[in-house]
Amino acid sequence: GAGVSQTPSNKVTEKGKYVELRCDPISGHTALYWYRQSLGQGPEFLIYFQGTGAADDSGLPNDRFFAVRPEGSVSTLKIQRTERGDSAVYLCASSIDGGGDTQYFGPGTRLTVL
Amino acid sequence: AQKVTQAQTEISVVEKEDVTLDCVYETRDTTYYLFWYKQPPSGELVFLIRRNSFDEQNEISGRYSWNFQKSTSSFNFTITASQVVDSAVYFCALRGGTYKYIFGTGTRLKVLA
Repeated sequence: GAGVSQTPSNKVTEKGKYVELRCDPISGHTALYWYRQSLGQGPEFLIYFQGTGAADDSGLPNDRFFAVRPEGSVSTLKIQRTERGDSAVYLCASSIDGGGDTQYFGPGTRLTVL
Repeated sequence: AQKVTQAQTEISVVEKEDVTLDCVYETRDTTYYLFWYKQPPSGELVFLIRRNSFDEQNEISGRYSWNFQKSTSSFNFTITASQVVDSAVYFCALRGGTYKYIFGTGTRLKVLA
């Protein structure tokens, strides 16, 4: 079956621009997570969705970051007024119900802010 | 606070050697889950194993084995007879009472032919 997919695979933007990163989870998975991975680091939690609602957004670094999942499937991570420090790989993962079950990761979107 | 420590930043071994990757975790939750993931050069995180806090049985899957010891808060991963294809970054992760999965900083394993 299809795994988690993310688009685009690479995104290069200029400082101050707005970007959207998309995640398509495994069909039937109600839990969806966004992470950010910087070079040489482990994934860092950003936000967790259970269905359509953000159950935990405590990892979002500031109010320039926002994520939605309007129909409980596809999710979009939105970053306003990008800064060079936002450059990283953004990972999406999904799991069946979020109750400690296994997360399956997508290939990530590499964001570069010039 | 929850924390995962992978003290080994990088390990190099020669093919066919055994290697153990260490993972030490901290949590106050009585129910928690531990995971290992592999991140090959291609970049995609690949799930290897999941363990819950009530199951301390060690597990073996082919050349991989895991040793879970609650007494020392450790969940170590051993690869027997390592192969070049095992070269990757390996992450240990913890999911406690919150929805967050906390990852360690990873151990880069290099298996030399």
